[in-house]
Amino acid sequence: AQSVAQPEDQVNVAEGNPLTVKCTYSVSGNPYLFWYVQYPNRGLQFLLKYITGDNLVKGSYGFEAEFNKSQTSFHLKKPSALVSDSALYFCAVSGQQTGANNLFFGTGTRLTVIP
Amino acid sequence: GAVVSQHPSRVICKSGTSVKIECRSLDFQATTMFWYRQFPKQSLMLMATSNEGSKATYEQGVEKDKFLINHASLTLSTLTVTSAHPEDSSFYICSARRGQGALREKLFFGSGTQLSVL
Repeated sequence: AQSVAQPEDQVNVAEGNPLTVKCTYSVSGNPYLFWYVQYPNRGLQFLLKYITGDNLVKGSYGFEAEFNKSQTSFHLKKPSALVSDSALYFCAVSGQQTGANNLFFGTGTRLTVIP
Repeated sequence: GAVVSQHPSRVICKSGTSVKIECRSLDFQATTMFWYRQFPKQSLMLMATSNEGSKATYEQGVEKDKFLINHASLTLSTLTVTSAHPEDSSFYICSARRGQGALREKLFFGSGTQLSVL
């Protein structure tokens, strides 16, 4: 069975500090991993994805994520947080065996960047 | 926790027919629901924002006459793919927003619908 866990409902970080939003997953076979962001009153926006290749993936708005197969993790990171990064962040996974369909989402982590 | 039910989970239809997908929030009222589609190995793409009692707001490039969205109640939004063609084959997923405001808002996802048009 596929699943995604985002262990933190809320993450607070001071502006200019590095941020990490955690995600672990469970999937049969090799995973496709995604990060999405939701700003207030908006639908999801794509940030980045891991399909294959380099474990460090760079995405939009200066975000990056590292795929760690041994720890089954795909944590989202940014070296220096901005107040405008405050939003809801969702991690999602699908499995290659399902043809990359049946996307499973985590419950989301609310990031608040404090000025 | 809040549950969003999406039905059907999988549908196969002939080209030219119409298919309706339902998205229900089971234990909360959702004034706003979102519809997405995803192609294999691609990210989720927002198609439209559905607001209860008003017309849906479609993203650029999404044909409103082809993808009909109805949000007739606070717990139900439907997406109808009209005159479906093979290129419409995709994974469709809905989400429902609970609460208002930046601090209280949460988004819950349906389990998705795999549409295959023959």
